[in-house]
Amino acid sequence: DAGVIQSPRHEVTEMGQEVTLRCKPISGHNSLFWYRQTMMRGLELLIYFNNNVPIDDSGMPEDRFSAKMPNASFSTLKIQPSEPRDSAVYFCASSPPGTGMAGELFFGEGSRLTVL
Amino acid sequence: AQKITQTQPGMFVQEKEAVTLDCTYDTSDPSYGLFWYKQPSSGEMIFLIYQGSYDQQNATEGRYSLNFQKARKSANLVISASQLGDSAMYFCAMRPQTGANNLFFGTGTRLTVIP
Repeated sequence: DAGVIQSPRHEVTEMGQEVTLRCKPISGHNSLFWYRQTMMRGLELLIYFNNNVPIDDSGMPEDRFSAKMPNASFSTLKIQPSEPRDSAVYFCASSPPGTGMAGELFFGEGSRLTVL
Repeated sequence: AQKITQTQPGMFVQEKEAVTLDCTYDTSDPSYGLFWYKQPSSGEMIFLIYQGSYDQQNATEGRYSLNFQKARKSANLVISASQLGDSAMYFCAMRPQTGANNLFFGTGTRLTVIP
């Protein structure tokens, strides 16, 4: 079975450029999460969706960040304009319905972003 | 507010020995879930083990067991018979009752297994 698929795996860009990260959750999963991992702050939740609807975006750093989930099989995280402090590994994760408290998150391999 | 604390930034263990990775948490929710994930150097996050706050017995999964002490709000991971492949970052996480699906992660512990 295919896991959570993220692209690109690595992205190097210059400050001010737009960055779009993509995620395909596991088929049948109805919750999708975007996390950011840095050395300083660890793993932080940016936003999560349930049934394609954003439920909690309180972790989105600022207006430069936006996320969409147009359908159950695709989500994007966009940064515009990017800044060096956005450099991090961005993880997408999904979880299936009906698992309640015990349902683990299934993570993608992450997208490593470097903003010069 | 939910908080996960992992006080050991790094740990070393001899191959074939057991090791305990500490995790304490803070929540006022009566019901919650506790998770451990492994992150090897390749970067992916691998789910290891789950413990529910109302589970009567400590969770076990192969060489992994969770030493759950509810009154102390601790959920330590015990890895028995350590292997070289266990060298990785280990993250403790909690899903509070009020947090819907979200997991709150600790800062992690880097485990190094010495041959």
